[in-house]
Amino acid sequence: QKEVEQDPGPLSVPEGAIVSLNCTYSNSAFQYFMWYRQYSRKGPELLMYTYSSGNKEDGRFTAQVDKSSKYISLFIRDSQPSDSATYLCATLTNAGKSTFGDGTTLTVKP
Amino acid sequence: NAGVTQTPKFQVLKTGQSMTLQCAQDMNHEYMSWYRQDPGMGLRLIHYSVGAGITDQGEVPNGYNVSRSTTEDFPLRLLSAAPSQTSVYFCASSYDFLYGYTFGSGTRLTVV
Repeated sequence: QKEVEQDPGPLSVPEGAIVSLNCTYSNSAFQYFMWYRQYSRKGPELLMYTYSSGNKEDGRFTAQVDKSSKYISLFIRDSQPSDSATYLCATLTNAGKSTFGDGTTLTVKP
Repeated sequence: NAGVTQTPKFQVLKTGQSMTLQCAQDMNHEYMSWYRQDPGMGLRLIHYSVGAGITDQGEVPNGYNVSRSTTEDFPLRLLSAAPSQTSVYFCASSYDFLYGYTFGSGTRLTVV
């Protein structure tokens, strides 16, 4: 079993829709959680990070962590065609060792 | 400020050949990592370093060596290339890993 499982997708939504991207993890040692966005043939770029249960908002993006159920979510409001990319969740231990999900590819259609 | 620079961008190797993938960062980051990305498998950690002279293995270290003699450079060596090492390789660095990594643009490696 993988330590981080991500909803596989792909996901296709109309412009303006609310998007929900989800991951679960199994290792209680994971203390920090991140979301990366990766455009085609590019390196991942950090979108959001958080270390506590609850919500963290940044513009149209909201990251949600529930440590009791080991569940991580990223919500995108008012989705735009420019949001079309692969989204990767990542977890981190205190020692700095990171584990990534396999990614969910999102397409936002105009 | 160039960020994380990876060279080469593309490489074709024959089975059994060795080579070094270069990674350099100019942000004075202590933390550096190497990942490989295969279709449908996300990013898998190969090796990482928490500072000059300190390295450790990740999830898939076999067939790869690293060293960290300076803060800026973190080369990845393929000892004897195999077709299973065909992948896209990403180098990443961070000032403080708690705040995530900055990734390079990747090296696309094909082993024939």
